[in-house]
Amino acid sequence: RKEVEQDPGPFNVPEGATVAFNCTYSNSASQSFFWYRQDCRKEPKLLMSVYSSGNEDGRFTAQLNRASQYISLLIRDSKLSDSATYLCVVNGGWGTDKLIFGTGTRLQVFP
Amino acid sequence: DAGVTQSPTHLIKTRGQQVTLRCSPKSGHDTVSWYQQALGQGPQFIFQYYEEEERQRGNFPDRFSGHQFPNYSSELNVNALLLGDSALYLCASSLAKMATNYNEQFFGPGTRLTVL
Repeated sequence: RKEVEQDPGPFNVPEGATVAFNCTYSNSASQSFFWYRQDCRKEPKLLMSVYSSGNEDGRFTAQLNRASQYISLLIRDSKLSDSATYLCVVNGGWGTDKLIFGTGTRLQVFP
Repeated sequence: DAGVTQSPTHLIKTRGQQVTLRCSPKSGHDTVSWYQQALGQGPQFIFQYYEEEERQRGNFPDRFSGHQFPNYSSELNVNALLLGDSALYLCASSLAKMATNYNEQFFGPGTRLTVL
């Protein structure tokens, strides 16, 4: 079983749509949770950290359920520029900076 | 303020050869981590260097080794290259802090290695 599992892609959605990505992780010792965005042939960039209380950044909302070891990302009012691969990421446990990435979910927003 | 830089950007090698990749961390950062990203996969942690020593290591064979210099820059060396080593190699830098769970990592643009 992979340490971080994500929805298989690709997700093809029209502009203005709402899209949700889900992710589960297996290491209950993980303490930090993130969504990264990766454009084609570029490096991953931090989109947002994820907190137990849930957090929002503009059109993006992230949720964490520690009991279920489940992380989600909601994108509202999708833009063409949101087209990218979204990576669910957790750290390896307390006191470690090792990041564990999911395989990513590809999002394609069309006009 | 320069971000994380890596060199070279692209590299082509043949099986059995050796390769060295280089990384300069973001200004003020003292920790460097290396990741391998195969096509269609997420990055996988190789190892992390802090104070010129390997602090953590992922599930990679001894063919993968590294070094950190006093100026915090780092090298990743891969010996006896295999076809399966073809990937994007990413360097990430961070600033080690005491008594904290996680230190944010900033990624460089990567080195794309092709092994023929």
